[in-house]
Amino acid sequence: DTAVSQTPKYLVTQMGNDKSIKCEQNLGHDTMYWYKQDSKKFLKIMFSYNNKELIINETVPNRFSPKSPDKAHLNLHINSLELGDSAVYFCASSPAGAGTQYFGPGTRLLVL
Amino acid sequence: QQQVKQSPQSLIVQKGGIPIINCAYENTAFDYFPWYQQFPGKGPALLIAIRPDVSEKKEGRFTISFNKSAKQFSLHIMDSQPGDSATYFCAASDQTGTASKLTFGTGTRLQVTL
Repeated sequence: DTAVSQTPKYLVTQMGNDKSIKCEQNLGHDTMYWYKQDSKKFLKIMFSYNNKELIINETVPNRFSPKSPDKAHLNLHINSLELGDSAVYFCASSPAGAGTQYFGPGTRLLVL
Repeated sequence: QQQVKQSPQSLIVQKGGIPIINCAYENTAFDYFPWYQQFPGKGPALLIAIRPDVSEKKEGRFTISFNKSAKQFSLHIMDSQPGDSATYFCAASDQTGTASKLTFGTGTRLQVTL
């Protein structure tokens, strides 16, 4: 009965590769988010989608492209991975307009 | 530009003590202030939250105190337990259309010793 799930949990890859992270929520929420947590544990929002529409797009390199096939899924595709992309990526969801966000377990990305 | 400042960076208290974590914000458009608890290897989990029209909110052993005029809020953990050892993040939210944008503090690593 996982509320927000992410796959994979761990991702180790070489510089220059392209990778995707998938997120699904079964909470019936309309809004989903991607956050990045760096090595110092700082959490920063990257994107937000509401019912497949992009709402928030922070200053993120265009190598990062979110895609929402439906309101329960939000995937993150990263092209030409760089060392600095190594981080933990969290997906979250919330009811539309609500401040409370529910986070997934995270995907730990290591770029070698 | 750190919009939500959090202190201390780390905190060690004995079991039964009352750790206090403080946050300050700048953006008056923030309208919702949640606290998240994160254990190693896990995602942040919502602990307690407050809106700016309330000065205090208590849920179990966790209390938020909110001072709107000073733009500060704090988390108190009563009767702290070793199981409370985790990283705590304050956050502030403002609405962007149908999404709420959370701005996080830098986190406080709490250790509760026996």
